[in-house]
Amino acid sequence: DTEVTQTPKHLVMGMTNKKSLKCEQHMGHRAMYWYKQKAKKPPELMFVYSYEKLSINESVPSRFSPECPNSSLLNLHLHALQPEDSALYLCASSHGTGGQGELFFGEGSRLTVL
Amino acid sequence: AQSVTQPDIHITVSEGASLELRCNYSYGATPYLFWYVQSPGQGLQLLLKYFSGDTLVQGIKGFEAEFKRSQSSFNLRKPSVHWSDAAEYFCAVGARTNAGKSTFGDGTTLTVKP
Repeated sequence: DTEVTQTPKHLVMGMTNKKSLKCEQHMGHRAMYWYKQKAKKPPELMFVYSYEKLSINESVPSRFSPECPNSSLLNLHLHALQPEDSALYLCASSHGTGGQGELFFGEGSRLTVL
Repeated sequence: AQSVTQPDIHITVSEGASLELRCNYSYGATPYLFWYVQSPGQGLQLLLKYFSGDTLVQGIKGFEAEFKRSQSSFNLRKPSVHWSDAAEYFCAVGARTNAGKSTFGDGTTLTVKP
């Protein structure tokens, strides 16, 4: 059972739509992450929040907009996406903010952009 | 810069046979090392991790891994594979000075024959 909950599990959107992915954890972790994963590939880091502040943005296009309303929640706002943005979006959290932190992953939100 | 290589893209083993998945890393000092497993349509789950100390680490589901500094390797082993072990396996390295940025290998797909 995962302790990181992601909603929705599946999302289909058009290129002009605005939607959001949500992630929640109640483990008291202070770092939260968004990853993008294409089929048969490893997860690619997009954003890292440390103590509710954005600490890493891996040069992600502005059509992806992260938000961390509080220490338990992480959102990813989507707008004007492209078909190539279709992927599994994984949220993760870790207790520490250094590289020693094991990552706890949610089950992901599978996004399809038409 | 840190990097991870998983030389085997795909491995097939018979149920009950032993398993070894290879992982080589590149990092200037002792890294934090992880093995994650991903079942189809799921997020990643931590199998085991190495930070320091005993170079043979035990994980969940009967897996173990051995850190060999001289070979820059962290290979994953299981003495007897079960059909439920079929999944994608990712080796990852977390740098001690690169907060939040774990680097994943490309993954190894494990198929288990009955």
